Amino acid sequence: EAQVTQNPRYLITVTGKKLTVTCSQNMNHEYMSWYRQDPGLGLRQIYYSMNVEVTDKGDVPEGYKVSRKEKRNFPLILESPSPNQTSLYFCASRLAEPYEQYFGPGTRLTVT
Amino acid sequence: AQKITQTQPGMFVQEKEAVTLDCTYDTSDQSYGLFWYKQPSSGEMIFLIYQGSYDEQNATEGRYSLNFQKARKSANLVISASQLGDSAMYFCAMREGRGAQKLVFGQGTRLTINP
Repeated sequence: EAQVTQNPRYLITVTGKKLTVTCSQNMNHEYMSWYRQDPGLGLRQIYYSMNVEVTDKGDVPEGYKVSRKEKRNFPLILESPSPNQTSLYFCASRLAEPYEQYFGPGTRLTVT
Repeated sequence: AQKITQTQPGMFVQEKEAVTLDCTYDTSDQSYGLFWYKQPSSGEMIFLIYQGSYDEQNATEGRYSLNFQKARKSANLVISASQLGDSAMYFCAMREGRGAQKLVFGQGTRLTINP
């Protein structure tokens, strides 16, 4: 089954404790992105990647890191999480064309 | 300025009625695309329908159609014969340019279908 997977689905952590949210897709898509969703703001892009070893900042990259060492994986790293990073996070992937993005199931992160 | 505006925070509709969810957009690009996604209470983002700026016909997918009015910069989603399972959050989104690397999302509209 074609899908984007994320782990963990739920995470409660404390300020400053490094964490990684994994994202993997099995559709051989070139493009992958991370978004965060906050009430009243819709989804905002954090980082994106056009292919292996090619990444760039989205609209809200502060406090996040990413890497793309393999085509299928695009982990999101929070080196020192803060409470304002409490949010619902989505990973997405797509081919060059068509433009439809396939979203993962989401990771709900709470930083206390 | 907001790139995507959804002016209806919430809508309540009787089952089996048609419903229109509003979306207006702002872009100076000639090539762009508009998407609608559904987010049920379980949280996943479900792709519904896509309209390219050069598409001459309005997009349709089953009970979903997109009322694309280019001059007005609007891309309203129409759901015919609504069902209880249509209750969800609905997001309009846009990609700008052919090489666009992201979708810009509106704030969403929460649709509730009453029996």
